[in-house]
Amino acid sequence: GESVGLHLPTLSVQEGDNSIINCAYSNSASDYFIWYKQESGKGPQFIIDIRSNMDKRQGQRVTVLLNKTVKHLSLQIAATQPGDSAVYFCADRRSGGSNYKLTFGKGTLLTVNP
Amino acid sequence: NAGVMQNPRHLVRRRGQEARLRCSPMKGHSHVYWYRQLPEEGLKFMVYLQKENIIDESGMPKERFSAEFPKEGPSILRIQQVVRGDSAAYFCASSPTGGLAGVKGANVLTFGAGSRLTVL
Repeated sequence: GESVGLHLPTLSVQEGDNSIINCAYSNSASDYFIWYKQESGKGPQFIIDIRSNMDKRQGQRVTVLLNKTVKHLSLQIAATQPGDSAVYFCADRRSGGSNYKLTFGKGTLLTVNP
Repeated sequence: NAGVMQNPRHLVRRRGQEARLRCSPMKGHSHVYWYRQLPEEGLKFMVYLQKENIIDESGMPKERFSAEFPKEGPSILRIQQVVRGDSAAYFCASSPTGGLAGVKGANVLTFGAGSRLTVL
C-alpha cells in the first residue's frame, strides 16, 4: 500500500556533526512534504516543508532535499546540537488533499552525543 | 499565548471504562484536529472539527469513538468502553480561521503536547 517510511529508526551523532535523516515515500502523486520534530513528552513541531516542484529548500540550520525520481526525502541538520535530540517525522500530502490529512512516517530517533 | 492545551496529560483506564480527552485550541483558532499516535508509529488523522460542527471524521473508528467541539468550552474526544488497543497518545492541533484548505501549508497547524491514554 501507499506509505511514507523511514530508512533508519535511530541515528546517533556527535555534537557539531551534520545529521541526515532519510525518508522514502511511495505515492508519486504526493505534492507536499513536511518534516516535524517531536521532543520527548511534547507534540510535533513543524520544521520545514517543501512542495513537489522544488528539489531543495533551506531553513535555519536545516535543509530538505527532495528526489522525486526515487521518491526520497531527506532532512539535513547542520552542526547538530543536543537540543536537536528528538524524533523526526516526515509526512506527505496527496495531491489535492487537505493539509490536515497528512500521512506520517514512523519517525527516526536522533540522539546527539556531547 | 498558552498554545494548544490538552488535558489530562496522562490517563489510565481499565477495559470497559470511558475516556474523555480535552483540547483547548490556541487563542484565535477555531479549527481543531485530533490525531492518534500508536507506540512507535506516526500520527494518524482522526477528526476535524469547527465550533459545533464535525467537518471530517474519516479517520475515526466507526464505534466507541466520538468527538465534539461545542460553542463554549474545549473540544472533547470521547472513547467509550476502552480496550487495550486504544492505548496511545492522542494529539490535538488547531489552526486559525479558514482551516487548511487549498494551498495553505501545514505549518499553520499547532499541536498540543498530547494526552497519553493507557488501558489496563
